[in-house]
Amino acid sequence: AQSVTQLDSQVPVFEEAPVELRCNYSSSVSVYLFWYVQYPNQGLQLLLKYLSGSTLVKGINGFEAEFNKSQTSFHLRKPSVHISDTAEYFCAVRSGGSEKLVFGKGTKLTVNP
Amino acid sequence: GAGVSQTPSNKVTEKGKYVELRCDPISGHTALYWYRQSLGQGPEFLIYFQGTGAADDSGLPNDRFFAVRPEGSVSTLKIQRTERGDSAVYLCASSSLSSGANVLTFGAGSRLTVL
Repeated sequence: AQSVTQLDSQVPVFEEAPVELRCNYSSSVSVYLFWYVQYPNQGLQLLLKYLSGSTLVKGINGFEAEFNKSQTSFHLRKPSVHISDTAEYFCAVRSGGSEKLVFGKGTKLTVNP
Repeated sequence: GAGVSQTPSNKVTEKGKYVELRCDPISGHTALYWYRQSLGQGPEFLIYFQGTGAADDSGLPNDRFFAVRPEGSVSTLKIQRTERGDSAVYLCASSSLSSGANVLTFGAGSRLTVL
């Protein structure tokens, strides 16, 4: 069965610093990869997705992620974070042929002034 | 509607009671999903509907949980004989398979607290 590992449960950073949130998934022939963001007391919002093509995908709010098939990773990055990026970030994977989206446990990003 | 709507937003009930949670998907979305998010965890898959039928209910934890979608639009998640361990946020999502790779749009969730 597909599984997703988010290696860091909490990531504190200072404003304007770069950040990387790590995500690894169990291997599969074909996968679709997603990052969702959940702001306090709000629902999940799609940040970006990898479906096919270029391995570097850009999303909303200046975030980007890179699909690395050999390392089964899909790490999320932002070169300079803002206070407003404070939220919980979830990596999710769907295997080809399955409609089930499997989520990681989430990484809580806290941006400090 | 413009987004996925879930009601109630908050529900407090007593152990042993019956609960219904409602989801109104985005108009025209044929696929509908229920997930459960416990404190400090990621969303956990419960059930997936394609139209009126449950295409995959492998995530339902036991037979106290049941979901319906009789007309292929609104769905209701039903929990019988609630237990304290059922306390969680129940998320609904919908998607249009024509959008490719089945991108899910989530509602704000229904927070269930079982006392």
